[in-house]
Amino acid sequence: ETGVTQSPTHLIKTRGQQVTLRCSSQSGHNTVSWYQQALGQGPQFIFQYYREEENGRGNFPPRFSGLQFPNYSSELNVNALELDDSALYLCASSWDFSTDTQYFGPGTRLTVL
Amino acid sequence: KNEVEQSPQNLTAQEGEFITINCSYSVGISALHWLQQHPGGGIVSLFMLSSGKKKHGRLIATINIQEKHSSLHITASHPRDSAVYICAVRSVQGAQKLVFGQGTRLTINP
Repeated sequence: ETGVTQSPTHLIKTRGQQVTLRCSSQSGHNTVSWYQQALGQGPQFIFQYYREEENGRGNFPPRFSGLQFPNYSSELNVNALELDDSALYLCASSWDFSTDTQYFGPGTRLTVL
Repeated sequence: KNEVEQSPQNLTAQEGEFITINCSYSVGISALHWLQQHPGGGIVSLFMLSSGKKKHGRLIATINIQEKHSSLHITASHPRDSAVYICAVRSVQGAQKLVFGQGTRLTINP
């Protein structure tokens, strides 16, 4: 049990739609990172938020956006969904982005039809 | 070529065998993580290493910074060790993110 929760567990959308995925971190965790994991692959870094500001971004287009809130929750928003967006989306939180163990949520499995 | 490469990709062994999973990386790092992922997706952090060796129960992780190589060993393997094991590095260039290997799928048969 990592203390990090994600919702929903599973989600099915169609191409072109928009989706919001949610993550609730442990209290005191100032950093949250989001990852996309395609089937059979390792996770890929989407972006990170530190104290409600974006603190780094991977090779994902602007239609992937995020928010972090003062209550240690965060969101990943994806606009104009494409079939290749089908994946497991993981959030991970920590006290400090550069040094600490990251605590992963169970993930949200998104299927785009 | 990926920045983080793991071998083997798949490993099947009998209960009780000694298991070794390897990870090589090509960038300068500040830390290396070994993670375990069970079916359904949840990821658990096993070790975070910047030098030397760490041990937790039947799990041992080592790292050689000069050779840019790390190994995860499991002694007296058990079917409950069956999972995907993932190596991830935090590079000195992009300290915000972890760069992951593709994972090693381990199956331990009774």
